[in-house]
Amino acid sequence: KNQVEQSPQSLIILEGKNCTLQCNYTVSPFSNLRWYKQDTGRGPVSLTIMTFSENTKSNGRYTATLDADTKQSSLHITASQLSDSASYICVVSAGDSNYQLIWGAGTKLIIKP
Amino acid sequence: NAGVMQNPRHLVRRRGQEARLRCSPMKGHSHVYWYRQLPEEGLKFMVYLQKENIIDESGMPKERFSAEFPKEGPSILRIQQVVRGDSAAYFCASSPSWGFQETQYFGPGTRLLVL
Repeated sequence: KNQVEQSPQSLIILEGKNCTLQCNYTVSPFSNLRWYKQDTGRGPVSLTIMTFSENTKSNGRYTATLDADTKQSSLHITASQLSDSASYICVVSAGDSNYQLIWGAGTKLIIKP
Repeated sequence: NAGVMQNPRHLVRRRGQEARLRCSPMKGHSHVYWYRQLPEEGLKFMVYLQKENIIDESGMPKERFSAEFPKEGPSILRIQQVVRGDSAAYFCASSPSWGFQETQYFGPGTRLLVL
């Protein structure tokens, strides 16, 4: 069964600190992996997208890594800001389609001043 | 270029009523996707439409739910005879084309509450 699991479920860190969120997936055939940020009450916004051959991709203070062998991905946030408080969702695309996306439940990140 | 628009943002219905959720994709986007998100859960794919065509509705319940994307106007997700279990956030996304690296752009969602 195609699944995406994320950890931790929630995380609280102080402003300015770094953090890393984890994503494990069992999706076949694998096409690509995306990280989305979802602010409370808003729709998800794409942060990164990586295909099988990409190991890392950055978007500002966000850096995503992908290990296709172990089927793991991480999202590292550097020098966190209060505006980083949101849910971060790992999404894996199965096959060669854009719409067959398997969504994780997300990690709820809270940044405290 | 306005983003994906959804309305209403909040909708309250009593059991047995109908709910109509509207989605206007970004300008130039002809591909629309509907998702449902229950509290504390991830998004679940419901249906994928192109103009006047349903491409994949494998995630949509067989009864009471329907979707359309007419040649003119917004995409509509229609839920007939709503039940309490339909209470959720419904998100619409759009993309300019189909492709495995294409990004989907999401609207703000419609929060449906069934009393």
